[in-house]
Amino acid sequence: EPEVTQTPSHQVTQMGQEVILRCVPISNHLYFYWYRQILGQKVEFLVSFYNNEISEKSEIFDDQFSVERPDGSNFTLKIRSTKLEDSAMYFCASSDRQGTDTGELFFGEGSRLTVL
Amino acid sequence: TQLLEQSPQFLSIQEGENLTVYCNSSSVFSSLQWYRQEPGEGPVLLVTVVTGGEVKKLKRLTFQFGDARKDSSLHITAAQPGDTGLYLCAGGNAGNMLTFGGGTRLMVKP
Repeated sequence: EPEVTQTPSHQVTQMGQEVILRCVPISNHLYFYWYRQILGQKVEFLVSFYNNEISEKSEIFDDQFSVERPDGSNFTLKIRSTKLEDSAMYFCASSDRQGTDTGELFFGEGSRLTVL
Repeated sequence: TQLLEQSPQFLSIQEGENLTVYCNSSSVFSSLQWYRQEPGEGPVLLVTVVTGGEVKKLKRLTFQFGDARKDSSLHITAAQPGDTGLYLCAGGNAGNMLTFGGGTRLMVKP
């Protein structure tokens, strides 16, 4: 069964360092997303991406964050100058269509980021 | 900002009991999805409801979308230990952005 894969599963970094989280969406999907979940808190939307550009982003997704689809298969989230409060589980998701009423988001298993 | 409140946050019941989880908001959503999340994994979609008043059944799970599309419920009949997990509701609007509730952690004891 097709699945969304994420790497690394866990990354520990020092505050101020840059981190890149990688995702391989399901191959025929066109819509890509990043969500995050701080320990003990709700899953929060960060950004959606379609046709090589950001289609929606939340207030959390500020200039510290960027996304890219560098090679047609990977979808990456870059966090520049990490802060302690960036520690969270980051989930990538993909969908084959627009709209949560008809489309299903398939989530990866997440990348746990720990900022020390 | 749209918010979804789930209740209860935690629920511990005996095998065979029935339970209901609620998801409430003051905002209208075009769709409401229910997910189940296992430890160390991402959320997995259980069902999507899109019409006010809609009821969907998935074996022993019954999902309902409120008439005004502001609330939803998940009812589990004769719960089993395999139902143990974290249940999340998520509301959707135009586009693919989901607003998640805080989750209900269910434990079903044998």
